[in-house]
Amino acid sequence: KNQVEQSPQSLIILEGKNCTLQCNYTVSPFSNLRWYKQDTGRGPVSLTIMTFSENTKSNGRYTATLDADTKQSSLHITASQLSDSASYICVVSPSGGYNKLIFGAGTRLAVHP
Amino acid sequence: NAGVTQTPKFQVLKTGQSMTLQCAQDMNHNSMYWYRQDPGMGLRLIYYSASEGTTDKGEVPNGYNVSRLNKREFSLRLESAAPSQTSVYFCASSESWVGSFQSSYEQYFGPGTRLTVT
Repeated sequence: KNQVEQSPQSLIILEGKNCTLQCNYTVSPFSNLRWYKQDTGRGPVSLTIMTFSENTKSNGRYTATLDADTKQSSLHITASQLSDSASYICVVSPSGGYNKLIFGAGTRLAVHP
Repeated sequence: NAGVTQTPKFQVLKTGQSMTLQCAQDMNHNSMYWYRQDPGMGLRLIYYSASEGTTDKGEVPNGYNVSRLNKREFSLRLESAAPSQTSVYFCASSESWVGSFQSSYEQYFGPGTRLTVT
């Protein structure tokens, strides 16, 4: 069964520090991998979309990496801010035939002053 | 430009009652989606409309129906609500179907409807 697993489930860091969130997936073959940010009480907002041939993509202080061989992706947040407190969701899109996005359960990040 | 809007924001239903969740987008997108989000689980697709005039079942369609009223609007109906349908419901849209081969279309989400069924 296609799965997307994220770790850690939750994370607390101090403002200004860096952190890395992990995503492991079993979806194969896949078309693209997305990272979303979801603030409490709001809908997810796209951060990055990477195709299977890309291995890094940045969006400001957010950098996503992808290793298609090991089926792992990570989201690195640099110089964290209080506004980074949110859930971060990894999403994989299978390729071929009927497709749907497969969502991970997310990592809840809290940035403390 | 409001993006994706959903109504209502909150709703409490008794078991067996019916209701319709409304969704509209102003981005001229072809594809629209309904998801539910439960604690500790990823978003799950209920129904989608790849283009105006078409609707298809997603991963968890039982107990729901949808209508793609026009290109802008996509509604989700619960005919006889059950406690298992307590969840947060998100509508989303994209320029075209995100499931097509090598599609990298951005998907835009609404603010969600928090539904409680007692």
